[in-house]
Amino acid sequence: KAGVTQTPRYLIKTRGQQVTLSCSPISGHRSVSWYQQTPGQGLQFLFEYFSETQRNKGNFPGRFSGRQFSNSRSEMNVSTLELGDSALYLCASSLDGIGDTQYFGPGTRLTVL
Amino acid sequence: EDQVTQSPEALRLQEGESSSLNCSYTVSGLRGLFWYRQDPGKGPEFLFTLYSAGEEKEKERLKATLTKKESFLHITAPKPEDSATYLCAVQGGEYGNKLVFGAGTILRVKS
Repeated sequence: KAGVTQTPRYLIKTRGQQVTLSCSPISGHRSVSWYQQTPGQGLQFLFEYFSETQRNKGNFPGRFSGRQFSNSRSEMNVSTLELGDSALYLCASSLDGIGDTQYFGPGTRLTVL
Repeated sequence: EDQVTQSPEALRLQEGESSSLNCSYTVSGLRGLFWYRQDPGKGPEFLFTLYSAGEEKEKERLKATLTKKESFLHITAPKPEDSATYLCAVQGGEYGNKLVFGAGTILRVKS
């Protein structure tokens, strides 16, 4: 079974721009969660989508948004990029979400200049 | 406030020198405790899921245990390829179905 895939793997943007990251979950998984990882804050939960609906949300500003398509693929968008948004963005998929193991993709390394 | 704390922050071992990593948590209604391994520049790799106190799981040189307040990841006779950051995460209580991670333990095993 193919694992979680994320594209692109690396991105360089400048302040004020916006970016869209993509995640394809493991086949059959319906829950997709997004996390931000930085050296200072560690891994922090952004949001979770299940059946095309946002089911849970972390404490991030509204500049961070996402969506999920009918095939469970998910996208995350960050608008008006700030220097502090530089991070590894990780996507994880699971069957349903609650209590299920989440499997992570390789991440997208975003650098904001 | 619910918390997940891992210790030590970093651990250096000689090859074959067994040790344990700790993950202590404060959360109501634990739905699951998860251990992951992460190599530099890569996504976390799943190791174990534990659901209730007293549960134990093993995989090769690793064994995870769970009590009502903490979990241990025991590493027996480690090898250099076990070097990585080990992350503990919990799901439950106020966090709902999202994972809350500890800061991780950086393990270095020297040959």
